[in-house]
Amino acid sequence: DAGITQSPRHKVTETGTPVTLRCHQTENHRYMYWYRQDPGHGLRLIHYSYGVKDTDKGEVSDGYSVSRSKTEDFLLTLESATSSQTSVYFCASNPGYSGNTIYFGEGSWLTVV
Amino acid sequence: DAKTTQPNSMESNEEEPVHLPCNHSTISGTDYIHWYRQLPSQGPEYVIHGLTSNVNNRMASLAIAEDRKSSTLILHRATLRDAAVYYCILSRSGGSNYKLTFGKGTLLTVNP
Repeated sequence: DAGITQSPRHKVTETGTPVTLRCHQTENHRYMYWYRQDPGHGLRLIHYSYGVKDTDKGEVSDGYSVSRSKTEDFLLTLESATSSQTSVYFCASNPGYSGNTIYFGEGSWLTVV
Repeated sequence: DAKTTQPNSMESNEEEPVHLPCNHSTISGTDYIHWYRQLPSQGPEYVIHGLTSNVNNRMASLAIAEDRKSSTLILHRATLRDAAVYYCILSRSGGSNYKLTFGKGTLLTVNP
């Protein structure tokens, strides 16, 4: 299994506060992704990165920002958390070739109260 | 991005074969077909992938239609541990256009 870890794994925060989720991979993969998963919606892409400092929006990017200053780290920031952002967040990485597999982290459970 | 269509849910009995279909009528020649599955409270995990030819591994088989507009994931003998959401996705490498979007997948229920 690829070494991909997420932190924190669980977090409860208040509405209006900033939150940062961290994804760390040890495989030197070029591509990294952030997804959110909610009941009835499957996995939805928030943002992804195709290299250091190279990022782009996914399907549900409003209210989220990302940064990637090093190959191994991809940060997801909620500038001002809202209750609608209560979700499970999954990070993933991939070498960048279509025949290669995607490796997922174990998920971060975020509750905004 | 090329899209995939899967049934919302399917049901099977333990130790029987399961055929999970996926339609991808807008697939391009360089798109790989990937299957992932997600067990409860876990991140998705890789099952199998292929380009044109049928593929087999220890987990499953992937049957790809000759025109590549559909594929079928085959679990030869379903077990209770195979109960999960199965996702079929297409991947296309190249530059920044490598979004890897997932749909809702197929929820597989395995009856004892």
